[in-house]
Amino acid sequence: SQQGEEDPQALSIQEGENATMNCSYKTSINNLQWYRQNSGRGLVHLILIRSNERETHSGRLRVTLDTSKKSSSLLITASRAADTASYFCATDARGGNQFYFGTGTSLTVIP
Amino acid sequence: DAGVTQSPTHLIKTRGQQVTLRCSPKSGHDTVSWYQQALGQGPQFIFQYYEEEERQRGNFPDRFSGHQYPNYSSELNVNALLLGDSALYLCASTRTGDRYEQYFGPGTRLTVT
Repeated sequence: SQQGEEDPQALSIQEGENATMNCSYKTSINNLQWYRQNSGRGLVHLILIRSNERETHSGRLRVTLDTSKKSSSLLITASRAADTASYFCATDARGGNQFYFGTGTSLTVIP
Repeated sequence: DAGVTQSPTHLIKTRGQQVTLRCSPKSGHDTVSWYQQALGQGPQFIFQYYEEEERQRGNFPDRFSGHQYPNYSSELNVNALLLGDSALYLCASTRTGDRYEQYFGPGTRLTVT
């Protein structure tokens, strides 16, 4: 079974609002990453947070990690129509080269 | 600097046939991973190749096999195709020592009829 599960499955917001999506995972990890995918195309790496970090930022992206709850959240601030995409979290089990992706959150930003 | 490239873009096959998908990694990358993404799902790890060897494998049957060439390009082969093999097949490359930032290709859309 997949390691990560995102929620909500779908999110629709107005341009300028903030978007928050969550990811839960099952086993101990080294790192957690967030990826973006536009309509059935390849995934783009957005940001990585290490297991010993609680929060990290990159531009309009803010990621938090709570290893005690095995969960992470991705916040996109001041959303734009171009942020419309599916967002996936990916984790790697300790000692492995395999990355596990969640089922994704489909974000729609309405202009 | 070319990113990850995959060919073909789309493919239609019949049940029972065999298919080969190809991937060229990003320049400077030596590790290639393959993923299967069914419609509405997240990518699922098939296997990873490094130094021309399969280094790790996900929960996929032996019908799925691969190869990596000395120039680091890779192939994914699927034998005895099933309807359930219809999916987007994604290739991702990384560089040893920086394995966490995977660069993905645009994918090959395989339809099995």
